[in-house]
Amino acid sequence: QKEVEQDPGPLSVPEGAIVSLNCTYSNSAFQYFMWYRQYSRKGPELLMYTYSSGNKEDGRFTAQVDKSSKYISLFIRDSQPSDSATYLCAMARGSYIPTFGRGTSLIVHP
Amino acid sequence: NAGVTQTPKFRILKIGQSMTLQCAQDMNHNYMYWYRQDPGMGLKLIYYSVGAGITDKGEVPNGYNVSRSTTEDFPLRLELAAPSQTSVYFCASSPGGGGVTGELFFGEGSRLTVL
Repeated sequence: QKEVEQDPGPLSVPEGAIVSLNCTYSNSAFQYFMWYRQYSRKGPELLMYTYSSGNKEDGRFTAQVDKSSKYISLFIRDSQPSDSATYLCAMARGSYIPTFGRGTSLIVHP
Repeated sequence: NAGVTQTPKFRILKIGQSMTLQCAQDMNHNYMYWYRQDPGMGLKLIYYSVGAGITDKGEVPNGYNVSRSTTEDFPLRLELAAPSQTSVYFCASSPGGGGVTGELFFGEGSRLTVL
């Protein structure tokens, strides 16, 4: 079993839809949970960062962590074509280097 | 503010050739990383460095070498290129490791094709 599992998609939604992106993990020691966004032919950039369990909201984006289920989610409200990108989840414990998921390709069509 | 700069952006190599991918950062970050990204496979860590003079292997180090003589530069050397090394290579840096200071800043990538 991989440490971090993420469905590669693609996930195709109409503009304005609520998008749910998810990752599961097996290592209960993970404390830091991140979402990176990667546009085509660009490097990933940090989108959201959460420590331990709970929710974090930033504009149209909400990151959710459920440590009891070893499950994290990223919700995008009122999705826009400009949100079309690959979203990679990443997790870390302490000062260790983060482990990345495979990334989910999201396509928001007008 | 350039951030992380990678060169070259594109390169085609013949099997058996060698080359160096250059990476430089101007943020005075201690940690630097090299990843490769194959389609649909996420990011795989090749090598990383926690400071000048210190490097360590990641998940997929075979066929690669690194050095870190300065804080700013972290070149990746490919020896005897093989088709399996066809990939997009990303260099990244972070102030520290892991959680709070562990945000990775990525370069734009170097696309390498080995024929």
